[in-house]
Amino acid sequence: GIQVEQSPPDLILQEGANSTLRCNFSDSVNNLQWFHQNPWGQLINLFYIPSGTKQNGRLSATTVATERYSLLYISSSQTTDSGVYFCAVEPEYGGATNKLIFGTGTLLAVQP
Amino acid sequence: DAGITQSPRHKVTETGTPVTLRCHQTENHRYMYWYRQDPGHGLRLIHYSYGVKDTDKGEVSDGYSVSRSKTEDFLLTLESATSSQTSVYFCAISGSPRGANVLTFGAGSRLTVL
Repeated sequence: GIQVEQSPPDLILQEGANSTLRCNFSDSVNNLQWFHQNPWGQLINLFYIPSGTKQNGRLSATTVATERYSLLYISSSQTTDSGVYFCAVEPEYGGATNKLIFGTGTLLAVQP
Repeated sequence: DAGITQSPRHKVTETGTPVTLRCHQTENHRYMYWYRQDPGHGLRLIHYSYGVKDTDKGEVSDGYSVSRSKTEDFLLTLESATSSQTSVYFCAISGSPRGANVLTFGAGSRLTVL
């Protein structure tokens, strides 16, 4: 099946720093989404981004589907950005199943 | 978690007992999912549903069954719980009537099998 790899696995930042998280996937996808899991376990959808670029406040994401990767940018990081960031994809093979396969995540800690 | 309710939120049970987790949505979304989250594995899909009485297996379906008799309810059953099924279980929905495929999660259910 499709492989979804996220890097780096862990990241420590000082408040105010910028960061880039990467998601590589091994096959063509219909669907790609980014999620943030806060320290209390709540999972929040950040972006639905199968291709192109989107921005939402200090966060932005870019997916280059032809090269099979997506990037999540966090600018001017805040302590509330801490948590785990997941990338999830729906493989193109098998048709439109709406089944998302998750990467193992990037654990981000933002220090004051 | 607006529109998605998981119950129970916490459960401790013994090996060999049956367990049912419930997911209830008020969003009228077509698709519903059960994922489990374990350290080092991220989230793995157990089963999903693409309509009433229409379900399919995910990556880690062994030992689990599901049922969806109404649009709003998706049940996950462990027929005979094992310690390897200790995990946090998340329900998710997608496929709003407007057609968006954005995945939205419930708050999670923590299951401990002793």
